[in-house]
Amino acid sequence: QKEVEQNSGPLSVPEGAIASLNCTYSDRGSQSFFWYRQYSGKSPELIMSIYSNGDKEDGRFTAQLNKASQYVSLLIRDSQPSDSATYLCAVKKGTSYGKLTFGQGTILTVHP
Amino acid sequence: DVKVTQSSRYLVKRTGEKVFLECVQDMDHENMFWYRQDPGLGLRLIYFSYDVKMKEKGDIPEGYSVSREKKERFSLILESASTNQTSMYLCASSTEETQYFGPGTRLLVL
Repeated sequence: QKEVEQNSGPLSVPEGAIASLNCTYSDRGSQSFFWYRQYSGKSPELIMSIYSNGDKEDGRFTAQLNKASQYVSLLIRDSQPSDSATYLCAVKKGTSYGKLTFGQGTILTVHP
Repeated sequence: DVKVTQSSRYLVKRTGEKVFLECVQDMDHENMFWYRQDPGLGLRLIYFSYDVKMKEKGDIPEGYSVSREKKERFSLILESASTNQTSMYLCASSTEETQYFGPGTRLLVL
């Protein structure tokens, strides 16, 4: 079992729809969870972090965390073509010098 | 504004050559990382460093070494490049919670 797994994708949604990206992790000691966005040919950039159970909203983005189910998700409301990118889920254990474990990424395409 | 720079965006090397990839950060971060990224495999950690002269192996260290003589600079060394090391190489530096990535070096080994 991979430490961090994302829904395989690619995911295609129409403009204006909600895109739902999912991630599961295997280590119950994980404490911090991150979503990075990576445009084609570019490096990853952090878009959301979440540390406690529940929802965290930032503009059109909502991160959801359920530690009991070892599940973290990212919802993108009112998806735009500019949201088309690869989304990487990353997980950090308690004390690890900032070391992250990444999922393999989900490619999202938002079509007009 | 945070900044992580990498010495080259594109690099072409021959099999057997020694290759140096350099990464510099200006954020005074303790932690620095080297990843490679390949289609379908995501980001895989090669090595990381949590202080000057301190390093730890990541998930795929074979064929690589690193050097961190100064806090701001973390170098990745391919001792004898092979074709299976053709990849995108990403450097990152971090606080305890957030990693900041450089622009990446796309390395082609012929």
